[in-house]
Amino acid sequence: GAVVSQHPSWVICKSGTSVKIECRSLDFQATTMFWYRQFPKQSLMLMATSNEGSKATYEQGVEKDKFLINHASLTLSTLTVTSAHPEDSSFYICSAITGASTDTQYFGPGTRLTVL
Amino acid sequence: AQKITQTQPGMFVQEKEAVTLDCTYDTSDQSYGLFWYKQPSSGEMIFLIYQGSYDEQNATEGRYSLNFQKARKSANLVISASQLGDSAMYFCAMREWGSSNTGKLIFGQGTTLQVKP
Repeated sequence: GAVVSQHPSWVICKSGTSVKIECRSLDFQATTMFWYRQFPKQSLMLMATSNEGSKATYEQGVEKDKFLINHASLTLSTLTVTSAHPEDSSFYICSAITGASTDTQYFGPGTRLTVL
Repeated sequence: AQKITQTQPGMFVQEKEAVTLDCTYDTSDQSYGLFWYKQPSSGEMIFLIYQGSYDEQNATEGRYSLNFQKARKSANLVISASQLGDSAMYFCAMREWGSSNTGKLIFGQGTTLQVKP
């Protein structure tokens, strides 16, 4: 089956620093990747849709300058949380699809970010 | 308006028994897909089962089956012969294939299932 990896699986950083999270499709080419944020015991909240070679489409209320997304290749998308603050602490999950019309989204294992 | 509704925040089931997790949806698209994902405490989202709006048969995958009632706009997940490892959060999700088809999934609020030994 389709495998998506995320790195790192967890990260602790100081307030004011930037953190980069990588999302890779390991055995398929992902035309589209998605970034989600999830708070404890809540549903996934879509942050942005990332298409290879083009600018990401952000959901309403998501700060583009704070959450920088780059989809440089068909197997890699990155999310950079800039000038992180404690309220950015969350579980971040990416997913990927190949682009076929009935495609399933396959999810990465997630990254737990803690900002001190 | 909520497009995907899961009305059961938490459910308990005895090991080896069957359990049904409810999901209702709302869409004006004729073409759409319904998904169920499992999220154990580790956090990973595991794809379980898919049902297309034009599929005439209910989807089945091992112990998972989807009770699809199109007229009622419901897509309940049935887990047969529950196992302790089924304890997790379960999400119902929908993808609309209409003119705004971006591949986005719309998720429900989730149901936490606990299997009792």
